[in-house]
Amino acid sequence: NAGVTQTPKFQVLKTGQSMTLQCAQDMNHNSMYWYRQDPGMGLRLIYYSASEGTTDKGEVPNGYNVSRLNKREFSLRLESAAPSQTSVYFCASSEDPQGPFLFFGSGTQLSVL
Amino acid sequence: AQSVAQPEDQVNVAEGNPLTVKCTYSVSGNPYLFWYVQYPNRGLQFLLKYITGDNLVKGSYGFEAEFNKSQTSFHLKKPSALVSDSALYFCAVRAPTGANNLFFGTGTRLTVIP
Repeated sequence: NAGVTQTPKFQVLKTGQSMTLQCAQDMNHNSMYWYRQDPGMGLRLIYYSASEGTTDKGEVPNGYNVSRLNKREFSLRLESAAPSQTSVYFCASSEDPQGPFLFFGSGTQLSVL
Repeated sequence: AQSVAQPEDQVNVAEGNPLTVKCTYSVSGNPYLFWYVQYPNRGLQFLLKYITGDNLVKGSYGFEAEFNKSQTSFHLKKPSALVSDSALYFCAVRAPTGANNLFFGTGTRLTVIP
């Protein structure tokens, strides 16, 4: 019963480095999401994919790109990491864009020095 | 625009006492409302939701929440707190149409004291 799987769990980057956060779900969900969690700010949506082949910007997309590789996988890429991107990143999925609630992965803790 | 307010960063309650975690919201139209819980080093877990129907919603682990349209509130409650309920609780809202974009509150840390 894996649900939503994120890799890696922890990552430290230097300013300007790039990396890709991976996310996969095994629930046959159509919609997938990337959130970031910062202290005192709750979760904020970075990008989402309502269905395979589509992606849309969320509340805080600057500095990120996404790829919906197939129905299972939705990756988040930082092309040139900045200290402001230090955060905990969560991937989530739902049955469809109107699905009632989200299933979350366990998160990736990213530090940019 | 949608928004959620959780006015308390921290709530402390003695084990066995009732607990309330407050949430107010702003959204156009009828809201979809949710509570999620986050344990240390884990992702968020769904607790309960209000879409339509009875204003008192029952969810996982004995939690319930009451939707109050006139006060635009959706407070989380439990009659008798357990130490294991200690966690970070998030209220979330989304509009009934459009993409499934949840807007989250800033979270309330609940500590249940033995």
